[in-house]
Amino acid sequence: AIQLTQSPSSLSASVGDRVTITCRTSQGINTVLAWYQQKPGKAPKLLIYHASSLGGGVPSRFSGSGSGTDFTLTISSLQPEDFATYYCQQFNNFPFTFGGGTKVEI
Amino acid sequence: EVQLVESGGGLVQPGGSLRLSCAASGFTVSTTYMSWVRQAPGKGLECVSVIYRGGSTSHADSVEGRFTISRDDSSNTLYLHMNSLRAEDTAVYYCAAFTMTDAFDIWGQGTMVTVSS
Repeated sequence: AIQLTQSPSSLSASVGDRVTITCRTSQGINTVLAWYQQKPGKAPKLLIYHASSLGGGVPSRFSGSGSGTDFTLTISSLQPEDFATYYCQQFNNFPFTFGGGTKVEI
Repeated sequence: EVQLVESGGGLVQPGGSLRLSCAASGFTVSTTYMSWVRQAPGKGLECVSVIYRGGSTSHADSVEGRFTISRDDSSNTLYLHMNSLRAEDTAVYYCAAFTMTDAFDIWGQGTMVTVSS
């Protein structure tokens, strides 16, 4: 199975900060990678698909980049509602594995 | 409105069985990828089963031979049949689907499965 390593596992930031989360895969997956946001007690919400395409209704402060084995999720200006846990997921091969998550805290 | 609604979770003894259901509305389950994703308490996400457009299925090694994903096109419903349940299967189970993108862009609210004596 393809392993996904996210870093950092947690971070502290302030409103207005620029935040970057990375996801590294154990083998090349072209751009078949998605990013999700999850808040406590809620289902994940799709933010980014195909590594850099913005999901429907997702604010433009979220962006994704990368291909092959190295990917990045960037939040350009952190808002109060962005404090959550973020996961990457690959769709190159089943099992469609997730990264371990990055918790963004105040 | 595009929506997924899960049901069927609950408390079951080790070795027992349970069937989860996921009713879809606003799209047709047979035309897309659908999946069950679980999250153990305080842990990350695990994609356990997928059913593809053509009806073929895949299961993670952790559930292979014990869980079966299926769908009923007439009722537009996804199922997860779970047998020989173990304590480590305790989790919130979400159904998820590709609808507008090549990723899980629609999720249900989740249903809790607790395996304990």
